Amino acid sequence: NAGVMQNPRHLVRRRGQEARLRCSPMKGHSHVYWYRQLPEEGLKFMVYLQKENIIDESGMPKERFSAEFPKEGPSILRIQQVVRGDSAAYFCASSRRTSGSQETQYFGPGTRLLVL
Amino acid sequence: QQQVKQSPQSLIVQKGGISIINCAYENTAFDYFPWYQQFPGKGPALLIAIRPDVSEKKEGRFTISFNKSAKQFSLHIMDSQPGDSATYFCAASKGTGNQFYFGTGTSLTVIP
Repeated sequence: NAGVMQNPRHLVRRRGQEARLRCSPMKGHSHVYWYRQLPEEGLKFMVYLQKENIIDESGMPKERFSAEFPKEGPSILRIQQVVRGDSAAYFCASSRRTSGSQETQYFGPGTRLLVL
Repeated sequence: QQQVKQSPQSLIVQKGGISIINCAYENTAFDYFPWYQQFPGKGPALLIAIRPDVSEKKEGRFTISFNKSAKQFSLHIMDSQPGDSATYFCAASKGTGNQFYFGTGTSLTVIP
């Protein structure tokens, strides 16, 4: 059973370009979460999605960042007009459909974004 | 503000010793407390998790101790091995399908 898959693993962009990060959840998982990790820091929540719905985007910057989880295909985190401060590791996690109790989130290997 | 506070920031333990990492939280609505292990260049991997209806959970060499009244929980790694050298994160969440709030991490080094 494949785990959470993320690609690309490393992404280099110049300031002003767009970054697209993809995440395929574990089989049978319908919940996707995106987190950002800055060097020497913990993970910070960005957004929580289910298929075709954004459930909680309270951690997402108001500008330049967007996320989607279409009916078919992977979840996409999109960063427009990247700036150096966007350089970080972006992790996707997935969990199963919840039924009254918290389900564990399983993390992918991350995409390390470097903005030059 | 930081919802989950973790200490120490770094820890060096002799092989065979006990590693102890502590976390504290304020929000009494939290009802799920996982610990994650992360190696350099990898994603966090679930180690062990506990719910507040029990005070201790043990899986192999890893034990979570939970003190609901003090709003604290800790990870104990018994018989620490060099292969345990990694960064450990505690986390907390509330309700179902909600975000995890992570501590800032503890870098553990186990020396032979």
